[in-house]
Amino acid sequence: AQSVTQLGSHVSVSEGALVLLRCNYSSSVPPYLFWYVQYPNQGLQLLLKYTSAATLVKGINGFEAEFKKSETSFHLTKPSAHMSDAAEYFCAVSDPTGGGNKLTFGTGTQLKVEL
Amino acid sequence: GAVVSQHPSWVICKSGTSVKIECRSLDFQATTMFWYRQFPKQSLMLMATSNEGSKATYEQGVEKDKFLINHASLTLSTLTVTSAHPEDSSFYICSARHPWTPYNEQFFGPGTRLTVL
Repeated sequence: AQSVTQLGSHVSVSEGALVLLRCNYSSSVPPYLFWYVQYPNQGLQLLLKYTSAATLVKGINGFEAEFKKSETSFHLTKPSAHMSDAAEYFCAVSDPTGGGNKLTFGTGTQLKVEL
Repeated sequence: GAVVSQHPSWVICKSGTSVKIECRSLDFQATTMFWYRQFPKQSLMLMATSNEGSKATYEQGVEKDKFLINHASLTLSTLTVTSAHPEDSSFYICSARHPWTPYNEQFFGPGTRLTVL
């Protein structure tokens, strides 16, 4: 079984500050990992994904994440926060060997960006 | 590309009525679609996996007679909430798997807000 843990249900940063959203996974096989963003009353938009190629993954809107197998982590970062980054962020894991192509989501982190 | 739509975006209904939500892949054919439910301030919970031309696979604890799923074509899956009650009020999101996109990536619809009075 796979699972994802997102530490910190709420994160608040100042505009221009570093954004760090934490994600740890549990998987019996090397997983696929995803970060999605959700704006209020909208669906999910893919930010980036890890698929066993480069461990440092760059996504849209200046976000990136690093896959660290030794730490079973896939933390999301952005060097400088913008007001438009305020949203809910979900980390998700998938089994590349099958498992019905399902995604298992973390509980989400609400990012607040303050002036 | 890889756009998924949902209709309606929101619906209000009376207790005891049935509500149908449509999920369409607009620019690709999706053999597999997924239905999620999201309560306020919570994560997405997978309800079922919808495969074109076959019965949906429901997750444990999801009532298949309550949440009817039909994937009649490669671009359309529907979720019908039968005899809706206030506790069914939620945000329902569908996603579709693009057959040519690897890594189990799913493309999500904008969601449907269901309110049962």
